[in-house]
Amino acid sequence: GESVGLHLPTLSVQEGDNSIINCAYSNSASDYFIWYKQESGKGPQFIIDIRSNMDKRQGQRVTVLLNKTVKHLSLQIAATQPGDSAVYFCAAAHPNTGNQFYFGTGTSLTVIP
Amino acid sequence: DAGVIQSPRHEVTEMGQEVTLRCKPISGHNSLFWYRQTMMRGLELLIYFNNNVPIDDSGMPEDRFSAKMPNASFSTLKIQPSEPRDSAVYFCASNLGTATEAFFGQGTRLTVV
Repeated sequence: GESVGLHLPTLSVQEGDNSIINCAYSNSASDYFIWYKQESGKGPQFIIDIRSNMDKRQGQRVTVLLNKTVKHLSLQIAATQPGDSAVYFCAAAHPNTGNQFYFGTGTSLTVIP
Repeated sequence: DAGVIQSPRHEVTEMGQEVTLRCKPISGHNSLFWYRQTMMRGLELLIYFNNNVPIDDSGMPEDRFSAKMPNASFSTLKIQPSEPRDSAVYFCASNLGTATEAFFGQGTRLTVV
């Protein structure tokens, strides 16, 4: 199977600062990873994904870094805004389990104006 | 596309009653997932379907839970009889095959009293 965990359950940052949310996974066969954002009362929303043949991927204000050696990935949010306040989940999938995603427990990000 | 559509958004029922949650996946997606989210356990995969066929139901808590997908555009998750410990938010998600992002519905908040 797969065990996915986030390092910190809560994170507070000042508006305008950069945020880093970390995640560890257990199965070295995991080859696809997604970061989701969940706002209160809503379902998880896709932010960015990365495949195991990459170390880094950038989106708009977000960057995901993947370190396969230590089975760790991180989500970096540049110039954090109040609208970024949400719970962030990482999810991992690996070919042995077909199409299943294993989710971490989530990090609650609070942006202080 | 309207995204993944779940109904109802909220359900309050008495212990022992049957509860049916509904999901319409995104048109063209061939995989559908049912997740349960609680504060204690986070996002748990209950079951997933590929091309309308249940692939893995090992996450279904017990025989009181059942899920069906009679066609590519509809799925149900049924709890009979319901118990207070089933209170949670139930999410449905769909995607277009292995290693692609899963799109989530808005969820059904179930309260069993």
